[in-house]
Amino acid sequence: NAGVMQNPRHLVRRRGQEARLRCSPMKGHSHVYWYRQLPEEGLKFMVYLQKENIIDESGMPKERFSAEFPKEGPSILRIQQVVRGDSAAYFCASSPLLAGALAGELFFGEGSRLTVL
Amino acid sequence: KQEVTQIPAALSVPEGENLVLNCSFTDSAIYNLQWFRQDPGKGLTSLLLIQSSQREQTSGRLNASLDKSSGRSTLYIAASQPGDSATYLCAAIPNTGNQFYFGTGTSLTVIP
Repeated sequence: NAGVMQNPRHLVRRRGQEARLRCSPMKGHSHVYWYRQLPEEGLKFMVYLQKENIIDESGMPKERFSAEFPKEGPSILRIQQVVRGDSAAYFCASSPLLAGALAGELFFGEGSRLTVL
Repeated sequence: KQEVTQIPAALSVPEGENLVLNCSFTDSAIYNLQWFRQDPGKGLTSLLLIQSSQREQTSGRLNASLDKSSGRSTLYIAASQPGDSATYLCAAIPNTGNQFYFGTGTSLTVIP
């Protein structure tokens, strides 16, 4: 059973370009979380998605960031018009159960490291 | 809002020593608490998951305990090895809401 797959592992973009990060959850998992980790800081929640639904995007910046988890294919975190402050490691995690009262175990991918020049 | 704190931020021990990592959380209304390990430049590897109805979990040389009333969890590592060197993170999952709240981690170095 393959783990959570993220690509690309490393991405370099110039200011103003777009970054697209992809995440395929573990087989059988329909719940995806995106977290951001800045250097020397902890993991910060961004968004929680189920298939075709955004459940909680309270951690997403209001502008330039969007996420989707289509019926077919991986979850995508999209950052438009990147700025240097977007440089970070972006981690995807999947869970087999609902969060909240039926929270399950989280499984993480290896992350996508975005560098904005 | 749940806040998770891990102390110490960094720890260095000689090989073979037993050690304890601490995790505290402000809201005791949690459902699960999960411990992870993160190696430099890598993702997070799940170590132990403690559900709210449990008080501890064990896996090999690792033992994690949970005391919801005091808002604390500890990760005990027995007979530490250089390969245990990594950053250890705890995450609290609240009864309501959708986030897993992470501490900033304890960076462990085991000296051969």
